[in-house]
Amino acid sequence: DAKTTQPNSMESNEEEPVHLPCNHSTISGTDYIHWYRQLPSQGPEYVIHGLTSNVNNRMASLAIAEDRKSSTLILHRATLRDAAVYYCILPQGAQKLVFGQGTRLTINP
Amino acid sequence: DTGVSQDPRHKITKRGQNVTFRCDPISEHNRLYWYRQTLGQGPEFLTYFQNEAQLEKSRLLSDRFSAERPKGSFSTLEIQRTEQGDSAMYLCASSFEQMNTEAFFGQGTRLTVV
Repeated sequence: DAKTTQPNSMESNEEEPVHLPCNHSTISGTDYIHWYRQLPSQGPEYVIHGLTSNVNNRMASLAIAEDRKSSTLILHRATLRDAAVYYCILPQGAQKLVFGQGTRLTINP
Repeated sequence: DTGVSQDPRHKITKRGQNVTFRCDPISEHNRLYWYRQTLGQGPEFLTYFQNEAQLEKSRLLSDRFSAERPKGSFSTLEIQRTEQGDSAMYLCASSFEQMNTEAFFGQGTRLTVV
C-alpha cells in the first residue's frame, strides 16, 4: 500500500495562505489523493481530493506535482477555525482510509 | 439528514464489562466504517460494511470485538470484557459505494475503561 509522509506540525498566521505538503513517492497510477482534517474533539472532515490535475473547492486547493509523487494542500486565507490536524491519504480498496500522524496546523492570531 | 450520528458520545465502564456503541449513517450511504483513535494518533481502520455485509476486518479487531449492521442501516460495535487498552475514541463513517467519494464521520464515542 502506498504511504504518505507529512511534517508533524506547521504554524501560520491568520489571514495568510498556508501550504501543507505531502510526499507519496510510491503512489500508483490509479491512486487518488485525499485530504481530511480533524478539528479538536471532532471526527475527521473531508477537505478535497484529486488524481492528476489541480483541484479547487470552497475549502481549499490541491496542487499535485506532475510526477504525482507529492501534493500540497493550500488554504488561501487561514482562519483560527482552520487549526486542525490535516491528513493526506491514498484510499485503499473500498475507500478504506489509512490515516498517518498528519500535520498539526497552528494558526496564530 | 443531520449526518452521521453516534451514541453515546461518552462511555465510562469498568474493566471486564461489555459495552455497545451505535452508529446511524447518512441514510443513502451503503458503506459504513468503524475506526478507533487513541490520543495523539490518527484513526485506525477496524472494519467496514457494504449494506449488511461485513466485508473487511482489521487485525486490530480482536475476538472481543464484534460489529453488526442489520438490514444495512444502523450499526453496532460491541466490546466484550473490556480492557484498559480499549480506551479510545471510536469513530463511525459512511459513504456511497462509488470510488473516490468522500466519507462522512460522526463525532465519535469516547470510551474510558477504568
